[in-house]
Amino acid sequence: EIVLTQSPGTLSLSPGERATLSCRASQSVRNNYVAWYQKKPGQPPRVLIHAASSRATGIPDRFSGSGSGTDFTLTIASLEPEDFAVYYCQQYGGSWTFGQGTKVEIK
Amino acid sequence: QVQLVESGGGLVKPGGSLRLSCVTSGFTFSVYYMGWIRQAPGKGLEWVSYISGDGGAMYYADSVKGRFTISRDNAKKSLYLQMNSLRAEDTAVYYCGRWNTAFDYWGQGSLVTVSS
Repeated sequence: EIVLTQSPGTLSLSPGERATLSCRASQSVRNNYVAWYQKKPGQPPRVLIHAASSRATGIPDRFSGSGSGTDFTLTIASLEPEDFAVYYCQQYGGSWTFGQGTKVEIK
Repeated sequence: QVQLVESGGGLVKPGGSLRLSCVTSGFTFSVYYMGWIRQAPGKGLEWVSYISGDGGAMYYADSVKGRFTISRDNAKKSLYLQMNSLRAEDTAVYYCGRWNTAFDYWGQGSLVTVSS
């Protein structure tokens, strides 16, 4: 099973700042099959990125994904108030797994 | 518009059973893989199970293998999760999701509480 480790656990930033979230896999992810989701309390997750760098339909371009092999990154170019949430990576190159999440909170 | 609506959650004693349903609309159900994902209180997301469009292939997380069974009825555009031998650690909100190179649509979730 591929284990995904997200860092940092919590990111304290102000609106307008850049957020960089990391997702490291315990082994190489086939075809870079990594997705990123945003999760807010009381709501289902929302997909942001699939296949490491492809933005999902309707997702603003301030969200971008990058990486390959074992290291993947979600970048939010300039935080909007609605972006403060928990973010999860997921790999689907092998048996599917999620990372433990990164909380982006208002500083 | 695409909609997924879960039902069937509730309070059950350890060792008991529960069947979750997910009724869908707004898309051609039979061509999509579908899955169940859960989130325990204060915890992260955990993939539980998924099934191919024709129902011929099913996959399970190790934590539920042998206890949970995923199925679908393409005529009814519905997805199911039969949960047996429930444990306290199965307590979570259970979401159904449509798989399209990621889970692109989700239901609102159904709370399952396993407690005596």
